[in-house]
Amino acid sequence: EDQVTQSPEALRLQEGESSSLNCSYTVSGLRGLFWYRQDPGKGPEFLFTLYSAGEEKEKERLKATLTKKESFLHITAPKPEDSATYLCAVQSFGNEKLTFGTGTRLTIIP
Amino acid sequence: DAGVIQSPRHEVTEMGQEVTLRCKPISGHNSLFWYRQTMMRGLELLIYFNNNVPIDDSGMPEDRFSAKMPNASFSTLKIQPSEPRDSAVYFCASSPSGDSRFFGSGTQLSVL
Repeated sequence: EDQVTQSPEALRLQEGESSSLNCSYTVSGLRGLFWYRQDPGKGPEFLFTLYSAGEEKEKERLKATLTKKESFLHITAPKPEDSATYLCAVQSFGNEKLTFGTGTRLTIIP
Repeated sequence: DAGVIQSPRHEVTEMGQEVTLRCKPISGHNSLFWYRQTMMRGLELLIYFNNNVPIDDSGMPEDRFSAKMPNASFSTLKIQPSEPRDSAVYFCASSPSGDSRFFGSGTQLSVL
């Protein structure tokens, strides 16, 4: 059974203070690892898909990286508008199902 | 494109009543997913359709839950009879392939 663990559960940063969110996973055969952003009262918003160890993707202040056991979402010089819950999910080969972690609630203080 | 459209945004009902949640996926997407989100369990996949055909309903909690997709532009999730433990946010998502999911804004269901 696929499993995803995200840490920390919550993170408070000052504006401009860079940090990383962690997503550890176990999966029989990784087809893809997904990062989503979720704002209160809204559905998850797709950010990245990573397919193989060593892959990196960037979007504005966010960069996602992938190893064989975990993924990091690095946030550089964050702004208050980056405050949200960040969700990680994995998909196995031969399966449409995404298994989600419980998320990291990120708060950026002005 | 307007994105995935769900209705209603909020539903308050009494225990034992029938509840129907509706979803219009993004045009051209051939996969549709229903998820439930709670504080305790996070996001859980209930069922997904590919080309309007139910593929995996193993996440449907029990027989009180049913889902249909009569055509490529519409799906429903029905709970009959509803119970207080069904209270959650229900999301519909669609996908053009096996990759990214595009989520709707969800239906906040409260069963009293």
